[in-house]
Amino acid sequence: TQLLEQSPQFLSIQEGENLTVYCNSSSVFSSLQWYRQEPGEGPVLLVTVVTGGEVKKLKRLTFQFGDARKDSSLHITAAQPGDTGLYLCAEPQGGSEKLVFGKGTKLTVNP
Amino acid sequence: DAGITQSPRHKVTETGTPVTLRCHQTENHRYMYWYRQDPGHGLRLIHYSYGVKDTDKGEVSDGYSVSRSKTEDFLLTLESATSSQTSVYFCAIRGQNYGYTFGSGTRLTVV
Repeated sequence: TQLLEQSPQFLSIQEGENLTVYCNSSSVFSSLQWYRQEPGEGPVLLVTVVTGGEVKKLKRLTFQFGDARKDSSLHITAAQPGDTGLYLCAEPQGGSEKLVFGKGTKLTVNP
Repeated sequence: DAGITQSPRHKVTETGTPVTLRCHQTENHRYMYWYRQDPGHGLRLIHYSYGVKDTDKGEVSDGYSVSRSKTEDFLLTLESATSSQTSVYFCAIRGQNYGYTFGSGTRLTVV
């Protein structure tokens, strides 16, 4: 099983600040998914990246997939309290039958 | 919402008793999954199903069994609950492009 390393583990910032969280592996990702999980709820899929160098935008969120497909980042511009949550990266493994998750970055955006 | 519900949402049970958690989908998806989420460990796969009566183990399957007699229902059974099985349990279905949709979770406490 390929391990997904996420950093930082915790991040606490003020409203309006920018931030970046990371997901890395020593091996090449087949593809990568990003999820956000709010307290008391299940994770919700934000985006899937497939191609090396790919950049996807979702409002104030920008997702990048490294050229070598060994890393990915999520950048949030002008963070808002509503962005608070656990951000998880995940990779389909085992012939894409199973989704393996990183441990996540817990983001708190203070008003 | 994507049509996946878990029941119960909360349960407290005693050590040594059997417990069954239910996941129900209305999407007719082939793949269904059970994960547990614990601090410091993230989301870990317990069991998954790729069709009626077709199931396979995940990375933390000991002490758990599953059954899928209908496409829409995937049951997780703790044969004899232990305190180490206190956790939040999530069911998920796999949709298009390998994106997962999660239920809202079951918080299980074993006392």
